[in-house]
Amino acid sequence: EPEVTQTPSHQVTQMGQEVILRCVPISNHLYFYWYRQILGQKVEFLVSFYNNEISEKSEIFDDQFSVERPDGSNFTLKIRSTKLEDSAMYFCASTIRGRTYEQYFGPGTRLTVT
Amino acid sequence: GEDVEQSLFLSVREGDSSVINCTYTDSSSTYLYWYKQEPGAGLQLLTYIFSNMDMKQDQRLTVLLNKKDKHLSLRIADTQTGDSAIYFCAESQYSGGGADGLTFGKGTHLIIQP
Repeated sequence: EPEVTQTPSHQVTQMGQEVILRCVPISNHLYFYWYRQILGQKVEFLVSFYNNEISEKSEIFDDQFSVERPDGSNFTLKIRSTKLEDSAMYFCASTIRGRTYEQYFGPGTRLTVT
Repeated sequence: GEDVEQSLFLSVREGDSSVINCTYTDSSSTYLYWYKQEPGAGLQLLTYIFSNMDMKQDQRLTVLLNKKDKHLSLRIADTQTGDSAIYFCAESQYSGGGADGLTFGKGTHLIIQP
C-alpha cells in the first residue's frame, strides 16, 4: 500500500541553523500538508500546498518557515533560523484531488534544537 | 478558534468494548476524524464521518456523532492488545476545493489490560 515517507526520522540541530525536512507524498496525491506536534501538546496544522503554492497557513507558519516542491516527488519544509521552541515532531500529509478530507500522514521527523 | 477536547487515558480489559469520546466547539465542522498513532509511527486514518451523518460502522469500529452536543465517539468492539495506541479526534471544514487543515485533540491513550 502506498505510504507517505519522511526523512530524516530524527534531526538534531543547533539554534540559529537552517533545517530542511523532507517528505515524499503518495504518488498521485496533489495536496500536501505540514503539521507539528510539540511534546505533550496537540498536533497543529502549519500549512497546506496545492498547485505549487500555499493554499492555507496557520499563525504558526511565519516568515521563518517555507515550503517547496522542488521536483515531482519531494515536498520540503524549511526552517530558516531554528529556535529552541521549534523542537517538535513534524508530520507531512497528502491527499488526492477530490478527496481532500482523507489526509494520509507520514511517520514524522523528530526535530531537536539545542 | 476551533477546539477539540478528549480525555487523556482510557483503560479497558481485553475483549471488552472501548469507547473514546471527543467534544469539539466549531459548529461548522464538516468532517470529523479518528486517527490512530502507534509508538514510533505516524498518524493512521482510521475512519471519518461527514457532519450530516450520525453513525458510521466499519468492522469493529463504530463512530457516533451528536451534532447538537458537538460530541463524537469511537467504539472499538472486542478490544485487542493490538488496539493499544493513542487515538486522535480531529475536525475540518472541508470546503470541497481547498486544502483544509485539520484541528486535532490531544489524543487518548488506550491501555489494554489482559
